[in-house]
Amino acid sequence: EAQVTQNPRYLITVTGKKLTVTCSQNMNHEYMSWYRQDPGLGLRQIYYSMNVEVTDKGDVPEGYKVSRKEKRNFPLILESPSPNQTSLYFCASSFHLPTPWQGVESSYNSPLHFGNGTRLTVT
Amino acid sequence: AQKITQTQPGMFVQEKEAVTLDCTYDTSDPSYGLFWYKQPSSGEMIFLIYQGSYDQQNATEGRYSLNFQKARKSANLVISASQLGDSAMYFCAMSVVRNTGFQKLVFGTGTRLLVSP
Repeated sequence: EAQVTQNPRYLITVTGKKLTVTCSQNMNHEYMSWYRQDPGLGLRQIYYSMNVEVTDKGDVPEGYKVSRKEKRNFPLILESPSPNQTSLYFCASSFHLPTPWQGVESSYNSPLHFGNGTRLTVT
Repeated sequence: AQKITQTQPGMFVQEKEAVTLDCTYDTSDPSYGLFWYKQPSSGEMIFLIYQGSYDQQNATEGRYSLNFQKARKSANLVISASQLGDSAMYFCAMSVVRNTGFQKLVFGTGTRLLVSP
């Protein structure tokens, strides 16, 4: 089954204790991204990766690290978590984002596939 | 800066009726894509529909259609014949091209839809 797998689903930790949220996709997707979801703010992009060894900051990268050593994996690392990083985190992947000029009939139309989310609480 | 605005925090609709969820966007890019995602209470994000800025016709997927009005910069989602299972949070999103040439997806704050029997 084609899917994006995040682990763990729930995590409670304390301030300053390093943690890693894993993300793996089995669809051979080039593009992967991490988002955090907070009430009233929608989803905000943390980091993204266009391919192996190619990563870049999103809108809210502070306090996070990522790596893309293999195409299928894109872990999110919190070196020193703080309470303001308490959130619902989503990993997502796609072949690549659809280019608007190619339209819905294009073979490049590839919506983001999301993992089931990781609910992180930092106390 | 690119932005998605969803002005309806919550919407109510009766089963079998149609409902429109509003979405306006702001971008200076001539090319962009618009998406709608559904998030049930279980939390997963489900892709519903996509509209490209150059698409001549409004996108449709089963009971979902996207009312794309380019001049008004709106991309409203229309759900026909609502079902109880449509109760969820709905997010509008736009793909934008960064200075680096890479694309990203910008999300709105969401609209919670409640379908009543």
